[in-house]
Amino acid sequence: GGIITQTPKFLIGQEGQKLTLKCQQNFNHDTMYWYRQDSGKGLRLIYYSITENDLQKGDLSEGYDASREKKSSFSLTVTSAQKNEMAVFLCASSPGTYTGQLYFGEGSKLTVL
Amino acid sequence: GEQVEQRPPHLSVREGDSAVITCTYTDPNSYYFFWYKQEPGASLQLLMKVFSSTEINEGQGFTVLLNKKDKRLSLNLTAAHPGDSAAYFCAVSLYYGSSGNKLIFGIGTLLSVKP
Repeated sequence: GGIITQTPKFLIGQEGQKLTLKCQQNFNHDTMYWYRQDSGKGLRLIYYSITENDLQKGDLSEGYDASREKKSSFSLTVTSAQKNEMAVFLCASSPGTYTGQLYFGEGSKLTVL
Repeated sequence: GEQVEQRPPHLSVREGDSAVITCTYTDPNSYYFFWYKQEPGASLQLLMKVFSSTEINEGQGFTVLLNKKDKRLSLNLTAAHPGDSAAYFCAVSLYYGSSGNKLIFGIGTLLSVKP
């Protein structure tokens, strides 16, 4: 088995601030994902990466940057946090690009004051 | 792009009742289908994945039906108990060639099972 670790679990920031979320996986999976979860809107894909140093934009990439410097880690940066923004960011990984099954972390909850 | 519509957004049932959650999708090239369960404060856990054109899969206390002709996926909890209270998400996988695949999720259904 393996685990996906997201840090921090809770992040509070100020409007306009650049905020970074980190994700580590020890499954040795090729593909990693960042999703944003909002109540009533399900999960929306921000970025994904099919291998080290690869980045693919999802449907919600505007306002975010991502970085995959190692196979085991995938970071997401909110480039300018918006006031009253509150969401849970979920990191996930999958063994390959074709299987479809994702393994999720527990999430990082963002609050912007 | 692919649209996945999940209904209902909220569902409240009594213990022992059945509960049905349905998703419809638009892209006929979708080829993997999933149900995930998310308990409060926890990560999403895979309940079941299905692939065939018309398939009924039975798990522990639930049944999943995929009808590709109608582009419909459903989850039926046959005799719900309070431990089934959670958010349930359907997801549809699309293949993008060298860009890999990604999952498109429904909005989720918050199921409450009352004793």
